[in-house]
Amino acid sequence: GAGVSQTPSNKVTEKGKYVELRCDPISGHTALYWYRQSLGQGPEFLIYFQGTGAADDSGLPNDRFFAVRPEGSVSTLKIQRTERGDSAVYLCASSFGQTYNEQFFGPGTRLTVL
Amino acid sequence: AQKVTQAQTEISVVEKEDVTLDCVYETRDTTYYLFWYKQPPSGELVFLIRRNSFDEQNEISGRYSWNFQKSTSSFNFTITASQVVDSAVYFCALSEAGRDFNKFYFGSGTKLNVKP
Repeated sequence: GAGVSQTPSNKVTEKGKYVELRCDPISGHTALYWYRQSLGQGPEFLIYFQGTGAADDSGLPNDRFFAVRPEGSVSTLKIQRTERGDSAVYLCASSFGQTYNEQFFGPGTRLTVL
Repeated sequence: AQKVTQAQTEISVVEKEDVTLDCVYETRDTTYYLFWYKQPPSGELVFLIRRNSFDEQNEISGRYSWNFQKSTSSFNFTITASQVVDSAVYFCALSEAGRDFNKFYFGSGTKLNVKP
């Protein structure tokens, strides 16, 4: 079946602009995660959804970052007033059932803020 | 403080050599899970293994094996008879009961280069 998909695969924007990154999880997966991966580093947790609600958003760096999952499936990560330091690969993952189950990752969106 | 440390930034081996990737973790929880993921050049992370804190049995899957030692807080990964296709970045990760297992802490990864 289809894996986790993310769009766009690449996004180039200018400092101060607003961006939206989309994640389409594996059908039936109730848990959805967003991570940020900087060059040469491991993924860094941002936010976790169980169904429609954000169960843990402790990883969001500041209030410029926001994520939604209105129908419990597709999720959108929103970044306001982008800064050069936001440049990274944003990864989405989904899992079925318990949170300690394996997470299936998407290919990521590479965000570049000029 | 880093919860997961992968001290080896990059390792290069010649095909057919055995190689061990180290992972040291830190947690106060008695219940936790450890994971290994592979990130090939294409970029997509691939799950390799999950181990819970109550199961210290070593695991073998084909050329892959994992050594979990709570006494040293380590969860090392060995590839036997490495192949060029094993070239990738490998990440170790931890999730803790205290965070309801929601949050995965990843190490900084070890880049493995297997040369023909």
